[in-house]
Amino acid sequence: AQSVAQPEDQVNVAEGNPLTVKCTYSVSGNPYLFWYVQYPNRGLQFLLKYITGDNLVKGSYGFEAEFNKSQTSFHLKKPSALVSDSALYFCAVRGVYSGAGSYQLTFGKGTKLSVIP
Amino acid sequence: DTGVSQDPRHKITKRGQNVTFRCDPISEHNRLYWYRQTLGQGPEFLTYFQNEAQLEKSRLLSDRFSAERPKGSFSTLEIQRTEQGDSAMYLCASSSTGGITDTQYFGPGTRLTVL
Repeated sequence: AQSVAQPEDQVNVAEGNPLTVKCTYSVSGNPYLFWYVQYPNRGLQFLLKYITGDNLVKGSYGFEAEFNKSQTSFHLKKPSALVSDSALYFCAVRGVYSGAGSYQLTFGKGTKLSVIP
Repeated sequence: DTGVSQDPRHKITKRGQNVTFRCDPISEHNRLYWYRQTLGQGPEFLTYFQNEAQLEKSRLLSDRFSAERPKGSFSTLEIQRTEQGDSAMYLCASSSTGGITDTQYFGPGTRLTVL
């Protein structure tokens, strides 16, 4: 079974400071990893994904994430936070295998990011 | 570029009633997914279609739940004899057949409240 842990329910950061939202995962074999953002009463918006290759993945709105296989982590980062980045962030994993369960994403519980002006 | 749309956005119903939700995927996407999200949790997978074929169903999808995608385009999710525990946000996502690495794009969701 695959799982995702987001150890922080909430992250507070001052505007202009760098931000990190943590994610660790468990999956059989190699993972496909995703970050989504959710604004209040809205669906999930895709930010970025790791499939293979370079461990540093760049995505939308200046976000990036670093894949670390030895630590089974995929932390989301941004060099300079904006107030408009305040939202709920979800990490998700999918295993690289065929057969039943191949396409379903397993999500973490989410981390609420608050950027303070 | 039209994204995934869902209708209705909000539904309030009384316990025991049946409800049906609709999802229209991005037009060229042949894969469609349903997830359920409860307060304070991440989305949980319910079911998945490739074209009109329902290929995966979660154990969360009890007998009261049924999903269809009759022509491989829009999909419906029906909940029969609703219970208060069914109150949640129901999310639809779609993706294209670009190998196993395709990205799922989500709609705005339908928020169900069962009184």
